[in-house]
Amino acid sequence: EDQVTQSPEALRLQEGESSSLNCSYTVSGLRGLFWYRQDPGKGPEFLFTLYSAGEEKEKERLKATLTKKESFLHITAPKPEDSATYLCAVLSGGSNYKLTFGKGTLLTVNP
Amino acid sequence: EPEVTQTPSHQVTQMGQEVILRCVPISNHLYFYWYRQILGQKVEFLVSFYNNEISEKSEIFDDQFSVERPDGSNFTLKIRSTKLEDSAMYFCASSVIQGNEQFFGPGTRLTVL
Repeated sequence: EDQVTQSPEALRLQEGESSSLNCSYTVSGLRGLFWYRQDPGKGPEFLFTLYSAGEEKEKERLKATLTKKESFLHITAPKPEDSATYLCAVLSGGSNYKLTFGKGTLLTVNP
Repeated sequence: EPEVTQTPSHQVTQMGQEVILRCVPISNHLYFYWYRQILGQKVEFLVSFYNNEISEKSEIFDDQFSVERPDGSNFTLKIRSTKLEDSAMYFCASSVIQGNEQFFGPGTRLTVL
């Protein structure tokens, strides 16, 4: 069974204080790893797709990286508006369709 | 920017009643999905749908659940006889092709009393 574990569960940062969120996974053949942002009471908002180890994607203050066992979401100089829950999900070789999600990391950025 | 829409945003129902949750996927997408998120828990896959057929479903998606694409734009999830444990946020998603990123709607909060 595919497993996705995110750490930490919650993270508090000061504005401008860079950090990283971790997503470790155990799957039967990774077909894709996806990062989403979720605001309270809203649907997941797509951020990045990573397909192979060594791949990196960037968008504004966020950068996602992928190894064979884990992915990191690096947040550089965060702002209060970056506060949200960040979700990691995997698509494995056992399925063409089903995303398996982690529990997420609740990020709070204080001004 | 195209987006997935869902109605209603909140549905309250009595245990044992039937509910239909509606979704309009992004117009050029071919693959459609339903997920649910019980308060404080992970987002969980329910079902995927392609070419007017269920392509995959989870163990959660039992005989009480059904999906339909009644016309060229809508995608629905029906729960025949709701239970208290069906209370959750239900998200519709769509993707252009399988294996690509899935775009989620804002969700329907279902409360079963």
